[in-house]
Amino acid sequence: GAGVSQSPSNKVTEKGKDVELRCDPISGHTALYWYRQRLGQGLEFLIYFQGNSAPDKSGLPSDRFSAERTGESVSTLTIQRTQQEDSAVYLCASSPWTGSGYEQYFGPGTRLTVT
Amino acid sequence: AQSVTQLDSHVSVSEGTPVLLRCNYSSSYSPSLFWYVQHPNKGLQLLLKYTSAATLVKGINGFEAEFKKSETSFHLTKPSAHMSDAAEYFCVVSDGGTSYGKLTFGQGTILTVHP
Repeated sequence: GAGVSQSPSNKVTEKGKDVELRCDPISGHTALYWYRQRLGQGLEFLIYFQGNSAPDKSGLPSDRFSAERTGESVSTLTIQRTQQEDSAVYLCASSPWTGSGYEQYFGPGTRLTVT
Repeated sequence: AQSVTQLDSHVSVSEGTPVLLRCNYSSSYSPSLFWYVQHPNKGLQLLLKYTSAATLVKGINGFEAEFKKSETSFHLTKPSAHMSDAAEYFCVVSDGGTSYGKLTFGQGTILTVHP
């Protein structure tokens, strides 16, 4: 079946502009996660959704970052007033269950470049 | 709190020789541990996972890992490297300290396979 999809695959934006990144999870997956991967580094957790609520948003780097989710469907990550340090690959993952031990299925990511 | 240390940022092997990628973890709870692989320009793929069943875990493509609680290690091995194994590998821990299985990634190990 279809996996996790993300759009756009690449985004180049000017410093100070707002960007919106989209994630379509696997159908029926209740849990959704956003991560950031900076060049040469591991993934950093940003936010977790259970349905359309976000019990843990502790990884969002600043108040310029926000995310929302419609039911158990699409999620958008918005970065306002982008800065060069926001340049990274943003990855979305979904999981059919919550809890330790359950595999997360990752999308291909959105590569964001802030010039 | 949970953390992961991948002991080598780069590993280089010849085709047909054994592969060893080292990982140590820290966890306040009984952890679940994963290895993910990321091929260039492709998404993260689960290789294998440990969730408190057998301590020797077999994954895809001939990889396996052994959970050693006394050493807090979860090293990834393969008896004979193939050119297609060249990729970046991430050791990941989820310790159940949260109800939703928050993942913490290591910094990654880049595996190079020489002909």
